[in-house]
Amino acid sequence: DAGVTQSPTHLIKTRGQQVTLRCSPKSGHDTVSWYQQALGQGPQFIFQYYEEEERQRGNFPDRFSGHQFPNYSSELNVNALLLGDSALYLCASSLGLAGNNEQFFGPGTRLTVL
Amino acid sequence: ELKVEQNPLFLSMQEGKNYTIYCNYSTTSDRLYWYRQDPGKSLESLFVLLSNGAVKQEGRLMASLDTKARLSTLHITAAVHDLSATYFCAVDETGANNLFFGTGTRLTVIP
Repeated sequence: DAGVTQSPTHLIKTRGQQVTLRCSPKSGHDTVSWYQQALGQGPQFIFQYYEEEERQRGNFPDRFSGHQFPNYSSELNVNALLLGDSALYLCASSLGLAGNNEQFFGPGTRLTVL
Repeated sequence: ELKVEQNPLFLSMQEGKNYTIYCNYSTTSDRLYWYRQDPGKSLESLFVLLSNGAVKQEGRLMASLDTKARLSTLHITAAVHDLSATYFCAVDETGANNLFFGTGTRLTVIP
């Protein structure tokens, strides 16, 4: 049973560039959430996708956008990268939107912006 | 704005000792989660607490939830080195898996 997978593992970009991160949810899950974890901090919720629509969004600018595909996989896009976007980006999947359905986290993508 | 505070932020303890990590939050949510994170790794789910008075135990770790006090505790019994990690509590404010994480407690167990 495949867990949550993310790609790439590491990524280095320069300021102003754009980046796309990818996530495949755990088998049987249909909801994907994205989190940003800066060094030494707890993860922060970016947004959540269900049925190919953004359902909830955290306090992140419009430079952060996403997409969910019919197979439930998801992408996170960040435009006009800033140094402060350097972080570990975590994808989590769950079944449906109910809060009592546990989220499972992927291994993360480490983004470095130079 | 929802606040989730953990204390202590750093904890160094000897093997065999007991200790408690506290998680205070500012919303009325009754859904609280505990995660473990090893350096450079992702989050591992430890406990899911979904009601007032919920208590769950796994090995040397026990978590509890008091929604009236807006407090969750993670108790460590007879610590071993393998428990060294950062522990996060997270609150689901909206009931739709939008998790708000605390700052984490970095635990180091000294032989």
